[in-house]
This record gives sequence, structure tokens and C-alpha cells, in this order.
Amino acid sequence: AQRVTQPEKLLSVFKGAPVELKCNYSYSGSPELFWYVQYSRQRLQLLLRHISRESIKGFTADLNKGETSFHLKKPFAQEEDSAMYYCALGNSGGSNYKLTFGKGTLLTVNP
Amino acid sequence: DSGVTQTPKHLITATGQRVTLRCSPRSGDLSVYWYQQSLDQGLQFLIQYYNGEERAKGNILERFSAQQFPDLHSELNLSSLELGDSALYFCASSATGHEQFFGPGTRLTVL
Repeated sequence: AQRVTQPEKLLSVFKGAPVELKCNYSYSGSPELFWYVQYSRQRLQLLLRHISRESIKGFTADLNKGETSFHLKKPFAQEEDSAMYYCALGNSGGSNYKLTFGKGTLLTVNP
Repeated sequence: DSGVTQTPKHLITATGQRVTLRCSPRSGDLSVYWYQQSLDQGLQFLIQYYNGEERAKGNILERFSAQQFPDLHSELNLSSLELGDSALYFCASSATGHEQFFGPGTRLTVL
């Protein structure tokens, strides 16, 4: 079974401070991990996927298979980063592919 | 704009009633996914359709059903509504499954 755990429901930091949103997963197959972001009153949108290994809006995330983690990091948080962040795990089901989402972490960046 | 549209934006109804939510995927995307987002459960996968066929089922109640039509739009039918069904319902579409594009959601309020 697939499971995604985001241990922090809420995370509050000050502008300019580093931020780390935690994500741990459980999956017996080869995982594909994503971070989705939902800004206030907007739809979910893809922020990062582990296979692309890119940095978007200053965020990075590294897949650590040993620790089964995919934490999202940014060295200097900005107020516009305030949003709901969801970690998601994809299976390897071909056309039966599905994403399992964590419960999300609400990030607030204070001025 | 991801191109996924959902109607209606808001729906207010009474317990015991039946409603239909509609989703139009991005042009060319064959997969449609339905999710329920609530404060306590987070984002829960309900069901997936691929080119008109049901492909995967998640935590979908028996009172709920969905279908995907030949033009690839999808409808989610919710019946015998209960107060606890009040939530935001998202549709997402995908060409490959690995990146899902979300619609703006339908906010359902059951009174």
C-alpha cells in the first residue's frame, strides 16, 4: 500500500529564514515523488517532481530512498511562499497510475 | 491556466439530495481523476477514468459514482448526500498520469 506522511499540519517561519517541509513515504515499488502547491483560492499546481531534479521558485527536494523521505527545502523563505503544500507519491501502474497525497502542510511566512 | 475546467464552482444543497459535478479535461488528456478535499482528511483520491473506462478506485463511497463520456469529459454523481460530504471536489487530468493538472474545484455544501 502507498502512504505519504507530512508530519506538520502547520509551519510558520519568518521571511528570509530557511524552511523545510517534511515528507515521508511508504511504498514497496519504485517511487515517484512530487510536491504540489495550492496558493490561497487557487488550484493545486505541480511544484516539483523528483525525477526532474530542478529548482522551482528556489525550492528543491531530494529523494532519499534510505530514509524514504522527500523533504522540500528553501534557504530563504518569501512571503509569497505562503501556501498549502502537498507531497504526493505515484505508483508504477501504467495507465492505472495514481497519486497518493499527504494531508498537506500549511506554510505561513511572516514579514 | 491548466485548461481543466469544473462546473459548478459552488453548490449548496440539502441532505438526501443528489448532485452532479462536471469536469472537462485538458485537450488531449485521456485520464481524469477525482479527488475530495476536506479539512480533516486532506486530499483523498476517489476514482480514475482513462479513455472512458474506470481504471482505479480510491476511497469512494458507494453513494458516489462517476463516468467519463466519449468526448472525455467526466461527471461525478453524489447521492443521498450527508453533512459530511461537504468538501471541495477536484478533478485532474493527465496525458501520462505522472503529471496531473488540476481544475479549480467545486465547493459542495450540504445543509
